[in-house]
Amino acid sequence: GAVVSQHPSRVICKSGTSVKIECRSLDFQATTMFWYRQFPKQSLMLMATSNEGSKATYEQGVEKDKFLINHASLTLSTLTVTSAHPEDSSFYICSALQGIFYEQYFGPGTRLTVT
Amino acid sequence: GQNIDQPTEMTATEGAIVQINCTYQTSGFNGLFWYQQHAGEAPTFLSYNVLDGLEEKGRFSSFLSRSKGYSYLLLKELQMKDSASYLCAPMDSNYQLIWGAGTKLIIKP
Repeated sequence: GAVVSQHPSRVICKSGTSVKIECRSLDFQATTMFWYRQFPKQSLMLMATSNEGSKATYEQGVEKDKFLINHASLTLSTLTVTSAHPEDSSFYICSALQGIFYEQYFGPGTRLTVT
Repeated sequence: GQNIDQPTEMTATEGAIVQINCTYQTSGFNGLFWYQQHAGEAPTFLSYNVLDGLEEKGRFSSFLSRSKGYSYLLLKELQMKDSASYLCAPMDSNYQLIWGAGTKLIIKP
């Protein structure tokens, strides 16, 4: 149990375009999902907390107008990187909260390259 | 502030035992997680400790001392596939995980 999927796994886009990443909890309902970004050899950086049916809570320094998060159902959250730039190239990982101990289960990640 | 301290890198031999230490400081505490992350992949859940003591799960065990702000992950009978980064992540009073850079474990034959 506790399987989280992400799509796409890899995406290359041109500077100025927008990219949507989907995160799905496959075998459980997740009222809370998290979006992280990880640069090579660095720790996970929490970008935002996504709660189903309400607005996402963004971490300090993360532009909410650039990184649009929608958590429209209990099994799906989406992250849209708008007007992407090369510095947005990174590994984006979602996780979903499941269980009584608040353990997070991670999706496989999406590697975004902006050219 | 909130802080995680783990060794940056460790090397061990296949078949041996290795202990990865973690000290932490957080605003409140709601347990501590260990995750494994292979290069280029997302983290996977290994263990969770909320009370003091040792939790054993197969080849992996995790220990917690809340009064010392200290945890360790013990890996036995090391296999080559255990080469990965190991992330110690305490959960603060807001139920947020605090992430450090992790410990890169290199297993040699």
